Amino acid sequence: QVQLKQSRTELKAPGASVTVSCQASGYRFTSVDINWVRQTTGQGLEWMGSVTPITGNTVTAQIFEGRVTMTRDTATSTAYMELTSLKLDDTAVYFCATCSGGSCYLGHWGQGTQVTVSS
Amino acid sequence: IQLTQSPSSLSASVGDSITITCRSSQNIATYVHWFQQKPGKAPQLLIHDTSSLQSGVPSRFSGGGYGTEFTLTIVNFQPDDFATYFCQHSYETPFSFGPGTTVDVK
Repeated sequence: QVQLKQSRTELKAPGASVTVSCQASGYRFTSVDINWVRQTTGQGLEWMGSVTPITGNTVTAQIFEGRVTMTRDTATSTAYMELTSLKLDDTAVYFCATCSGGSCYLGHWGQGTQVTVSS
Repeated sequence: IQLTQSPSSLSASVGDSITITCRSSQNIATYVHWFQQKPGKAPQLLIHDTSSLQSGVPSRFSGGGYGTEFTLTIVNFQPDDFATYFCQHSYETPFSFGPGTTVDVK
């Protein structure tokens, strides 16, 4: 069955960077896009962007442009999301999710990674 | 594209039927999907493309609508259904989510 296993909780200082990983199993990794979504108390669920594993091409939400880098390693079936210049309001749970079907519905999700930004 | 949901919260009893509405700021055809989320867990897909039931989801869940107004209906509400429900569009990037509807015990 499809599984997305994410990296562990992170505690970061303001201005630092964080990288969250998402290891996929149970399907052909290069067959579907991986999306990144975060959930904050204040803003709810926010779509951050996506990476196409077979090409490495990315689409990034404008509000995250310049701060988010999404990459993938096809050898280990792992996607990565790096967020730089962290601010206090980047404190959130970060999820990866697969893109399914022609309409790209988010069919399978990782368990989430808590990132806390605190001084 | 902005999505709104109504109500923001509602109370239900086992056996009830409930409907949650999601409205879009522009026409998004049928590119709407519904999720259920419980505390500490990832969202779980219930309905995709407005009305297609995701595999493994009970048939008491159904979705409808087109364009700018969409609904999620739960009939014969069960104890496992107390949760928060979100709509989401994938019409174009950036995708976005509604603010959620929390269903609690009446």
